[in-house]
Amino acid sequence: DQQVKQNSPSLSVQEGRISILNCDYTNSMFDYFLWYKKYPAEGPTFLISISSIKDKNEDGRFTVFLNKSAKHLSLHIVPSQPGDSAVYFCAASDSGGGADGLTFGKGTHLIIQP
Amino acid sequence: NAGVTQTPKFRILKIGQSMTLQCTQDMNHNYMYWYRQDPGMGLKLIYYSVGAGITDKGEVPNGYNVSRSTTEDFPLRLELAAPSQTSVYFCASSYIGFLSGANTEAFFGQGTRLTVV
Repeated sequence: DQQVKQNSPSLSVQEGRISILNCDYTNSMFDYFLWYKKYPAEGPTFLISISSIKDKNEDGRFTVFLNKSAKHLSLHIVPSQPGDSAVYFCAASDSGGGADGLTFGKGTHLIIQP
Repeated sequence: NAGVTQTPKFRILKIGQSMTLQCTQDMNHNYMYWYRQDPGMGLKLIYYSVGAGITDKGEVPNGYNVSRSTTEDFPLRLELAAPSQTSVYFCASSYIGFLSGANTEAFFGQGTRLTVV
């Protein structure tokens, strides 16, 4: 039972345009969300996070939006650059839950076309 | 400026063999984690540790063991390797735990690609 779902395995966007990556979750106890970026043969690197008390967090070209009622978050990258081509993982944590650590989605492979 | 270091990067094991995946971090983080990532899947938590001498099971602990004798090191042991353990293994660390309710991030190593044949 996937608690964090990234329904688009891949996404292709033209350089300079906006990339929107989506993530849905089923566990209403999740209260902290993170996006990680992963290049081939490397470990995931942290990109941006958002707490459930907020609905938006910005960091440069990256903005994460959280819609708690819909259990949905999205990552916007504007403008998209060739170096943004990578796999993006959505992750969530439940501060009142059992095991420490993060629950990850399957990832979305973002391809930036020149 | 090493962060989280994993060794080896690649390994091929025969069924029934054992091995230890090494993980060390130099950020003085209390929390450490082991994840595995199967093709086309997200990362799944195997074991985690909240400090030296304390370990606990994650989502997929069967077939693995861990120990945490120092803050820096968190080795993952496979005793009887099985083909189902073919995966990429990531070690991670964080300053505080996610159960604390405080915002944090986990820093990941580069991964160990393990194939069991």
